[in-house]
Amino acid sequence: DGGITQSPKYLFRKEGQNVTLSCEQNLNHDAMYWYRQDPGQGLRLIYYSQIVNDFQKGDIAEGYSVSREKKESFPLTVTSAQKNPTAFYLCASSERNGGAYEQYFGPGTRLTVT
Amino acid sequence: DQQVKQNSPSLSVQEGRISILNCDYTNSMFDYFLWYKKYPAEGPTFLISISSIKDKNEDGRFTVFLNKSAKHLSLHIVPSQPGDSAVYFCAARTGGGADGLTFGKGTHLIIQP
Repeated sequence: DGGITQSPKYLFRKEGQNVTLSCEQNLNHDAMYWYRQDPGQGLRLIYYSQIVNDFQKGDIAEGYSVSREKKESFPLTVTSAQKNPTAFYLCASSERNGGAYEQYFGPGTRLTVT
Repeated sequence: DQQVKQNSPSLSVQEGRISILNCDYTNSMFDYFLWYKKYPAEGPTFLISISSIKDKNEDGRFTVFLNKSAKHLSLHIVPSQPGDSAVYFCAARTGGGADGLTFGKGTHLIIQP
């Protein structure tokens, strides 16, 4: 059953701590993405990766870091430098070549930092 | 600077009637547009897309229209069903590959029985 998994569904952290959000896909997609959604807002792009061992900053990359060591995995670290980390985080993936590049999303992780 | 705008935060439509969701964009480099449906606390689900070289794309009850000169697209849902109640996001991308999408803020569609 192909899809994107994000874990955990809910995550709580104290201010000043780094936290890593997991994203795994078994769709054999080359490209992966991280977005965040705030209440009443659209999704905003944090980072994306079109291929293993390569990634690019999105519109709001400050305070975040990523790695892409495997095709299936694209973890996002929310560092203590991120000023407003509480949000709903969404991971997505898409094909990279020959397709229309529709992005398919995971179920999301709600991060609360207090 | 919001490049993709959905100016109606919410829309209420009677079951069985047509739902029309609108989206405007400012970046003329956008070449591909997508609509997503989202329930609370879940990831968005891809609905339908359209390339900038077309003006219409249809998939079952869903049709997307693109007016490039007006930088406007719309999603039509006919007939509207109770399960269509959700937040609908318009998204766009520029050419060149699997880059990230730019999303609007969404329209909450409510289907009234």
